[in-house]
Amino acid sequence: DAGVTQSPTHLIKTRGQQVTLRCSPKSGHDTVSWYQQALGQGPQFIFQYYEEEERQRGNFPDRFSGHQFPNYSSELNVNALLLGDSALYLCASSLRTGDRNQPQHFGDGTRLSIL
Amino acid sequence: SQQGEEDPQALSIQEGENATMNCSYKTSINNLQWYRQNSGRGLVHLILIRSNEREKHSGRLRVTLDTSKKSSSLLITASRAADTASYFCASDSWGKLQFGAGTQVVVTP
Repeated sequence: DAGVTQSPTHLIKTRGQQVTLRCSPKSGHDTVSWYQQALGQGPQFIFQYYEEEERQRGNFPDRFSGHQFPNYSSELNVNALLLGDSALYLCASSLRTGDRNQPQHFGDGTRLSIL
Repeated sequence: SQQGEEDPQALSIQEGENATMNCSYKTSINNLQWYRQNSGRGLVHLILIRSNEREKHSGRLRVTLDTSKKSSSLLITASRAADTASYFCASDSWGKLQFGAGTQVVVTP
């Protein structure tokens, strides 16, 4: 049973470029959330997708956008990259049920470095 | 900015000792979760405690929750070298996890 998979594992970009990160949720999960984790910090919530729509969003600018596909996989897009976007980007999946108390399962992340 | 705080920021103990870390959060929650992260890897879910629960156990882990004080604690008993990691609490409000800055735990043999 595959867990959450993310690609690529590492990525180097320059300022002003655009990047797309990908995530496949754990089998049976339908909800995908994205988090940004700067070095030495805890993860910060970017947004969450369910039924191909953005359901919740954290305090991130519009340069950060996403998409969820019918197979529940998801992409995170970041435009006009800034040096401050260098971070570990984590994808987490969960199953939306009537019980709101579900753990999230995380992938190993994509390490994005901006030069 | 982080939505919660964890205390201590770092903890160094010997194998066999207990490790206790505390967490505070700011918003109303559905539940409070604890995660472990090994150096630059993804987060591993440890335990979830619902807002109407006060204490929960799982193996060597014991979690408490005080919603009146918006605080939680994680106790790891009989620690092992393999417990060396960063530990994060996350308040869950309708699927949106808000993390603290974490406690870095080092367990020496």
